[in-house]
Amino acid sequence: NAGVTQTPKFRVLKTGQSMTLLCAQDMNHEYMYWYRQDPGMGLRLIHYSVGEGTTAKGEVPDGYNVSRLKKQNFLLGLESAAPSQTSVYFCASGYLTGTGGEHNIQYFGAGTRLSVL
Amino acid sequence: SQQGEEDPQALSIQEGENATMNCSYKTSINNLQWYRQNSGRGLVHLILIRSNEREKHSGRLRVTLDTSKKSSSLLITASRAADTASYFCATRSGTYKYIFGTGTRLKVLA
Repeated sequence: NAGVTQTPKFRVLKTGQSMTLLCAQDMNHEYMYWYRQDPGMGLRLIHYSVGEGTTAKGEVPDGYNVSRLKKQNFLLGLESAAPSQTSVYFCASGYLTGTGGEHNIQYFGAGTRLSVL
Repeated sequence: SQQGEEDPQALSIQEGENATMNCSYKTSINNLQWYRQNSGRGLVHLILIRSNEREKHSGRLRVTLDTSKKSSSLLITASRAADTASYFCATRSGTYKYIFGTGTRLKVLA
Protein backbone atom coordinates (compact mmCIF):
# COMPACT_ATOMS: atom_id res chain seq x y z
CA ASN A 1 0.00 0.00 0.00
CA ALA A 2 1.94 2.98 -1.29
CA GLY A 3 -0.62 5.68 -0.37
CA VAL A 4 -0.20 8.79 -2.52
CA THR A 5 2.65 8.78 -5.02
CA GLN A 6 3.82 11.85 -6.90
CA THR A 7 6.07 11.89 -9.92
CA PRO A 8 8.48 13.42 -10.61
CA LYS A 9 10.07 14.46 -7.30
CA PHE A 10 12.10 17.28 -8.84
CA ARG A 11 11.93 19.18 -12.10
CA VAL A 12 13.55 22.24 -13.61
CA LEU A 13 11.77 23.97 -16.47
CA LYS A 14 12.51 26.93 -18.65
CA THR A 15 9.92 29.65 -18.96
CA GLY A 16 7.32 28.67 -21.53
CA GLN A 17 7.88 24.93 -21.30
CA SER A 18 5.06 22.59 -20.41
CA MET A 19 4.90 19.62 -18.10
CA THR A 20 2.52 17.28 -16.32
CA LEU A 21 2.73 16.22 -12.71
CA LEU A 22 1.24 12.84 -11.93
CA CYS A 23 -0.47 11.84 -8.72
CA ALA A 24 -1.56 8.27 -8.03
CA GLN A 25 -3.39 6.93 -4.99
CA ASP A 26 -4.16 3.34 -4.11
CA MET A 27 -6.64 3.94 -1.31
CA ASN A 28 -9.76 4.15 -3.49
CA HIS A 29 -10.41 7.71 -2.30
CA GLU A 30 -13.03 9.73 -4.11
CA TYR A 31 -11.45 13.14 -3.55
CA MET A 32 -8.13 14.36 -4.83
CA TYR A 33 -6.37 17.70 -4.54
CA TRP A 34 -3.44 19.67 -5.87
CA TYR A 35 -1.81 22.27 -3.62
CA ARG A 36 1.19 24.48 -3.93
CA GLN A 37 3.33 25.45 -0.97
CA ASP A 38 5.38 28.62 -0.96
CA PRO A 39 7.43 30.07 1.91
CA GLY A 40 5.23 31.99 4.32
CA MET A 41 2.09 31.18 2.35
CA GLY A 42 1.12 27.80 3.68
CA LEU A 43 -0.73 25.47 1.37
CA ARG A 44 -2.93 26.90 -1.35
CA LEU A 45 -5.44 24.81 -3.25
CA ILE A 46 -5.00 24.83 -7.03
CA HIS A 47 -7.64 22.37 -8.25
CA TYR A 48 -9.52 19.46 -6.81
CA SER A 49 -11.71 16.56 -7.88
CA VAL A 50 -14.64 14.97 -6.13
CA GLY A 51 -14.72 11.92 -8.37
CA GLU A 52 -13.59 10.35 -11.60
CA GLY A 53 -14.22 12.68 -14.52
CA THR A 54 -14.83 15.76 -12.34
CA THR A 55 -12.59 18.72 -11.55
CA ALA A 56 -13.07 22.07 -9.87
CA LYS A 57 -11.05 25.21 -9.29
CA GLY A 58 -9.45 26.05 -5.98
CA GLU A 59 -7.89 29.27 -4.72
CA VAL A 60 -5.13 29.66 -7.30
CA PRO A 61 -6.10 27.84 -10.51
CA ASP A 62 -4.70 30.24 -13.11
CA GLY A 63 -1.97 28.76 -15.28
CA TYR A 64 -2.84 25.17 -14.36
CA ASN A 65 -5.10 22.50 -15.77
CA VAL A 66 -6.08 19.14 -14.32
CA SER A 67 -7.64 15.88 -15.39
CA ARG A 68 -9.09 12.92 -13.52
CA LEU A 69 -9.70 10.29 -16.16
CA LYS A 70 -9.22 7.43 -13.70
CA LYS A 71 -10.23 7.40 -10.07
CA GLN A 72 -6.73 6.66 -8.87
CA ASN A 73 -4.93 9.33 -10.91
CA PHE A 74 -5.00 13.13 -10.82
CA LEU A 75 -2.83 15.02 -13.29
CA LEU A 76 -1.70 18.62 -12.97
CA GLY A 77 -0.57 20.35 -16.14
CA LEU A 78 1.38 23.53 -16.71
CA GLU A 79 0.91 24.58 -20.32
CA SER A 80 3.40 27.45 -20.35
CA ALA A 81 5.48 27.55 -17.20
CA ALA A 82 6.30 30.89 -15.56
CA PRO A 83 8.84 31.71 -12.81
CA SER A 84 5.89 32.48 -10.50
CA GLN A 85 5.04 28.77 -10.65
CA THR A 86 8.27 27.84 -8.92
CA SER A 87 7.00 26.03 -5.86
CA VAL A 88 6.56 22.72 -4.11
CA TYR A 89 3.46 20.93 -5.33
CA PHE A 90 1.57 18.49 -3.17
CA CYS A 91 -1.12 16.07 -4.15
CA ALA A 92 -3.57 14.72 -1.61
CA SER A 93 -6.41 12.27 -1.63
CA GLY A 94 -9.23 12.16 0.86
CA TYR A 95 -12.44 10.59 2.00
CA LEU A 96 -15.42 11.75 3.98
CA THR A 97 -16.01 10.43 7.46
CA GLY A 98 -18.27 11.28 10.37
CA THR A 99 -21.93 10.49 10.82
CA GLY A 100 -22.94 12.92 8.09
CA GLY A 101 -19.82 12.71 6.00
CA GLU A 102 -18.85 16.09 7.33
CA HIS A 103 -15.17 15.42 7.88
CA ASN A 104 -12.56 15.07 5.17
CA ILE A 105 -9.25 13.48 6.10
CA GLN A 106 -6.51 14.03 3.55
CA TYR A 107 -3.44 11.97 2.77
CA PHE A 108 -0.53 13.71 1.14
CA GLY A 109 2.18 12.72 -1.26
CA ALA A 110 5.82 13.63 -0.70
CA GLY A 111 5.73 16.58 -3.06
CA THR A 112 7.28 17.74 -6.33
CA ARG A 113 9.83 20.54 -6.25
CA LEU A 114 9.50 22.59 -9.41
CA SER A 115 11.81 25.37 -10.47
CA VAL A 116 10.99 27.54 -13.47
CA LEU A 117 13.92 29.54 -14.78
CA SER B 1 -6.59 34.97 2.56
CA GLN B 2 -5.78 32.11 4.87
CA GLN B 3 -8.63 30.83 7.01
CA GLY B 4 -6.30 29.51 9.66
CA GLU B 5 -3.41 31.44 11.04
CA GLU B 6 -0.97 29.73 13.36
CA ASP B 7 0.90 31.41 16.14
CA PRO B 8 3.79 31.51 16.79
CA GLN B 9 5.39 31.21 13.38
CA ALA B 10 8.38 29.48 14.94
CA LEU B 11 9.04 27.84 18.28
CA SER B 12 12.21 26.38 19.73
CA ILE B 13 12.15 24.30 22.91
CA GLN B 14 14.24 21.77 24.78
CA GLU B 15 13.48 18.08 24.66
CA GLY B 16 11.06 17.12 27.40
CA GLU B 17 9.32 20.50 27.45
CA ASN B 18 5.79 21.08 26.28
CA ALA B 19 5.07 22.87 23.01
CA THR B 20 1.93 24.90 22.46
CA MET B 21 0.85 26.37 19.19
CA ASN B 22 -2.33 28.24 18.35
CA CYS B 23 -4.60 28.58 15.38
CA SER B 24 -7.13 31.31 14.75
CA TYR B 25 -9.76 31.17 12.05
CA LYS B 26 -12.34 33.53 10.66
CA THR B 27 -15.58 31.76 9.80
CA SER B 28 -17.72 29.18 11.53
CA ILE B 29 -16.52 25.62 11.28
CA ASN B 30 -17.81 22.13 11.89
CA ASN B 31 -14.38 20.70 12.50
CA LEU B 32 -10.74 21.65 12.65
CA GLN B 33 -7.77 19.44 11.88
CA TRP B 34 -4.09 19.55 12.72
CA TYR B 35 -1.42 18.22 10.39
CA ARG B 36 2.33 17.76 10.77
CA GLN B 37 4.92 18.22 8.04
CA ASN B 38 8.45 16.94 8.44
CA SER B 39 11.09 18.71 6.39
CA GLY B 40 10.87 17.79 2.74
CA ARG B 41 7.81 15.60 3.23
CA GLY B 42 4.06 15.80 2.76
CA LEU B 43 1.57 16.62 5.49
CA VAL B 44 0.36 13.94 7.86
CA HIS B 45 -3.00 14.11 9.60
CA LEU B 46 -2.69 14.23 13.40
CA ILE B 47 -6.07 14.88 14.91
CA LEU B 48 -9.55 16.19 14.16
CA ILE B 49 -11.75 18.05 16.62
CA ARG B 50 -15.44 18.62 15.97
CA SER B 51 -17.08 21.97 16.58
CA ASN B 52 -19.09 20.54 19.48
CA GLU B 53 -15.95 19.26 21.21
CA ARG B 54 -13.82 21.42 23.47
CA GLU B 55 -10.86 19.14 24.00
CA LYS B 56 -9.43 16.02 22.47
CA HIS B 57 -6.42 13.85 23.25
CA SER B 58 -4.33 11.53 21.17
CA GLY B 59 -1.20 10.16 22.81
CA ARG B 60 0.99 13.16 23.67
CA LEU B 61 -1.23 15.51 21.71
CA ARG B 62 -3.95 17.61 23.24
CA VAL B 63 -6.14 19.83 21.12
CA THR B 64 -8.58 22.43 22.40
CA LEU B 65 -11.18 24.34 20.50
CA ASP B 66 -12.90 27.57 21.50
CA THR B 67 -15.53 28.36 18.89
CA SER B 68 -16.50 31.61 20.64
CA LYS B 69 -12.96 32.90 20.10
CA LYS B 70 -12.53 31.07 16.80
CA SER B 71 -9.31 29.55 18.00
CA SER B 72 -7.68 26.19 18.62
CA SER B 73 -4.50 25.13 20.32
CA LEU B 74 -2.27 22.10 19.90
CA LEU B 75 -0.22 21.01 22.87
CA ILE B 76 2.56 18.46 22.50
CA THR B 77 3.65 17.17 25.88
CA ALA B 78 7.12 15.86 26.74
CA SER B 79 8.44 16.81 23.34
CA ARG B 80 11.07 14.78 21.54
CA ALA B 81 13.57 15.64 18.84
CA ALA B 82 11.40 13.65 16.43
CA ASP B 83 8.60 16.18 16.97
CA THR B 84 10.64 18.75 15.07
CA ALA B 85 8.37 19.67 12.17
CA SER B 86 5.91 22.26 10.93
CA TYR B 87 2.37 22.06 12.24
CA PHE B 88 -0.66 23.29 10.34
CA CYS B 89 -4.27 23.74 11.24
CA ALA B 90 -6.91 23.21 8.59
CA THR B 91 -10.51 24.35 8.58
CA ARG B 92 -13.25 23.30 6.28
CA SER B 93 -14.28 25.51 3.38
CA GLY B 94 -17.20 23.95 1.61
CA THR B 95 -17.98 20.25 1.56
CA TYR B 96 -14.76 19.00 0.06
CA LYS B 97 -12.16 21.64 0.69
CA TYR B 98 -10.01 22.66 3.59
CA ILE B 99 -8.04 25.83 4.07
CA PHE B 100 -4.61 25.39 5.61
CA GLY B 101 -2.84 27.96 7.72
CA THR B 102 0.72 29.14 7.27
CA GLY B 103 2.06 26.80 9.94
CA THR B 104 4.20 26.83 13.08
CA ARG B 105 7.78 25.61 12.73
CA LEU B 106 8.70 23.66 15.85
CA LYS B 107 12.28 22.81 16.67
CA VAL B 108 12.96 20.49 19.58
CA LEU B 109 16.54 20.62 20.80
CA ALA B 110 18.11 17.45 22.17
